[in-house]
Amino acid sequence: AQSVTQLGSHVSVSEGALVLLRCNYSSSVPPYLFWYVQYPNQGLQLLLKYTSAATLVKGINGFEAEFKKSETSFHLTKPSAHMSDAAEYFCAVNINQAGTALIFGKGTTLSVSS
Amino acid sequence: GAVVSQHPSRVICKSGTSVKIECRSLDFQATTMFWYRQFPKQSLMLMATSNEGSKATYEQGVEKDKFLINHASLTLSTLTVTSAHPEDSSFYICSARDPSGGALEQFFGPGTRLTVL
Repeated sequence: AQSVTQLGSHVSVSEGALVLLRCNYSSSVPPYLFWYVQYPNQGLQLLLKYTSAATLVKGINGFEAEFKKSETSFHLTKPSAHMSDAAEYFCAVNINQAGTALIFGKGTTLSVSS
Repeated sequence: GAVVSQHPSRVICKSGTSVKIECRSLDFQATTMFWYRQFPKQSLMLMATSNEGSKATYEQGVEKDKFLINHASLTLSTLTVTSAHPEDSSFYICSARDPSGGALEQFFGPGTRLTVL
């Protein structure tokens, strides 16, 4: 079975500061990993995905994540936070098997102060 | 990317009534769709996997008689909350995988906010 752990339910940064949201996964087979962002009362928007190609993945809005198998991690980073980055972020895992659903972490709320 | 729609976006109903939520894949055919439930400030919990032309697969703890899922076509899955109660109030989100995409990405609908009075 697969699972995802997001360390830190709430992260606060200042505008312009580095954003680091942590995600560790557990999977018995090679995983596919995703980061989604959710704004209040809205659906999910895909930020980036790892599907066994390059381990450093670049996404939208300046976000990137690095897949580290030895650490079973897929942390999300952004060099400089913007006020508009304040939202809920979810890490999710899936496997290459037809019909399987994404399994989500508990989410991390990112707050950005001016 | 592929687009998934949900209808309605928001519904308020009285306790004891049934509510149907539709999930459509607009520009691709989805043999499998997924239904999630999200409580305020919590994560998405998978409720069931909806398979076109067959019975849905429910996650442990989800009442199949209460949350009826029908996947009658390759572009439409419906979730019916039967005899709704206030504890069923939640944000329901569907998703679908585009089998032609090759990247195992799930495309999510915008969600339906259900409030049971």
